Amino acid sequence: AQSVSQHNHHVILSEAASLELGCNYSYGGTVNLFWYVQYPGQHLQLLLKYFSGDPLVKGIKGFEAEFIKSKFSFNLRKPSVQWSDTAEYFCAVNASPRPPGGNEKLTFGTGTRLTIIP
Amino acid sequence: GAVVSQHPSWVICKSGTSVKIECRSLDFQATTMFWYRQFPKQSLMLMATSNEGSKATYEQGVEKDKFLINHASLTLSTLTVTSAHPEDSSFYICSARGRRREQFFGPGTRLTVL
Repeated sequence: AQSVSQHNHHVILSEAASLELGCNYSYGGTVNLFWYVQYPGQHLQLLLKYFSGDPLVKGIKGFEAEFIKSKFSFNLRKPSVQWSDTAEYFCAVNASPRPPGGNEKLTFGTGTRLTIIP
Repeated sequence: GAVVSQHPSWVICKSGTSVKIECRSLDFQATTMFWYRQFPKQSLMLMATSNEGSKATYEQGVEKDKFLINHASLTLSTLTVTSAHPEDSSFYICSARGRRREQFFGPGTRLTVL
């Protein structure tokens, strides 16, 4: 079974600072990787995803993430954060392809709360 | 992107009653729908996976007789919390997946059991 670790529980940054949120996963096979964002009072939205190909993926709102297979990591980055980036960020993974008899189960990390100070 | 709705957005009920939560994919056909539970300041925990027209697959530790899931059509799945108790109070979130590999999430339903 897969698992996801997000070591940063709460990150506080000033506007224009650079951001990097850590995500590490554990799984013996090939995975698909996702970052979701949950703004206050809103539902989960997909920021970006990695299925295959270029390990550096770009998402919405200036976010990007790099898949480093040797480190089992998929860290989220943004060069200059804005106050509107204040939200909860979740890393998630599912097995690829779907395991025999299994499903497209997404396993989430515990989330990182990002607070941007104006 | 695809839109998934949930109804109701919040519900308060008495202990012992049953509550039904609907999840709809509004602009695509969802062959698979997922139900998650999110505790305060914690991550989403998958409860069950439902495929249209077949029985739901429950995760270990989730009582299928307590959390009844019906996926009657390609756009609708329901979760019924039967004989709800205060410990069932939580935020319930559904997601839907169509032909693409991406899951789209609903806004969630906050259940409070008194």
